[in-house]
Amino acid sequence: DAKTTQPPSMDCAEGRAANLPCNHSTISGNEYVYWYRQIHSQGPQYIIHGLKNNETNEMASLIITEDRKSSTLILPHATLRDTAVYYCIVRVTGSGYALNFGKGTSLLVTP
Amino acid sequence: GAVVSQHPSRVICKSGTSVKIECRSLDFQATTMFWYRQFPKQSLMLMATSNEGSKATYEQGVEKDKFLINHASLTLSTLTVTSAHPEDSSFYICSATTGTSGSYEQYFGPGTRLTVT
Repeated sequence: DAKTTQPPSMDCAEGRAANLPCNHSTISGNEYVYWYRQIHSQGPQYIIHGLKNNETNEMASLIITEDRKSSTLILPHATLRDTAVYYCIVRVTGSGYALNFGKGTSLLVTP
Repeated sequence: GAVVSQHPSRVICKSGTSVKIECRSLDFQATTMFWYRQFPKQSLMLMATSNEGSKATYEQGVEKDKFLINHASLTLSTLTVTSAHPEDSSFYICSATTGTSGSYEQYFGPGTRLTVT
């Protein structure tokens, strides 16, 4: 799986958009970008994934650059409950593939 | 979304005893389940991959005779920590994938906090 690089920590004011970057310059053509988050002492939660087109769901938006070497997860209106560690993971899709969790970005949403 | 449960959520056991952790997919059939371990202030580390009806595949450095995994049905996988020691104290998390075409996101259980005294 391609390696990803994320900033170790970020702050965001409540109600503002949180933009979490991820670099994956060695991504292969058949690898997807997945985002998960882990709130303290809980199991990770799936957020969104994409291949090359931008994606949006009820939780977030995923913007992938045209060369696919980086992406940004956007939480449009961050709340205190969005405080968590966010993991950007690149891997091929398929049921037999585990997730390789890096160190992620610790997002702190402040009042 | 798909729901995965784990039981127990917390367990404290004495050194030398065995502990069994259950992972269930509640509303879908999981052909593949994964077991992860997370030590304090660290990221999740994959321990093993479990396919229903076959032997689990363990990651390098994970002792298969110590961490017994059974995936007897499409909705249940168990992890048994045998002869537990304090260094096995950790947060154990399972995940499952639906395996349906085009939808391979993994759903995680809430985790089991194991403390070995």
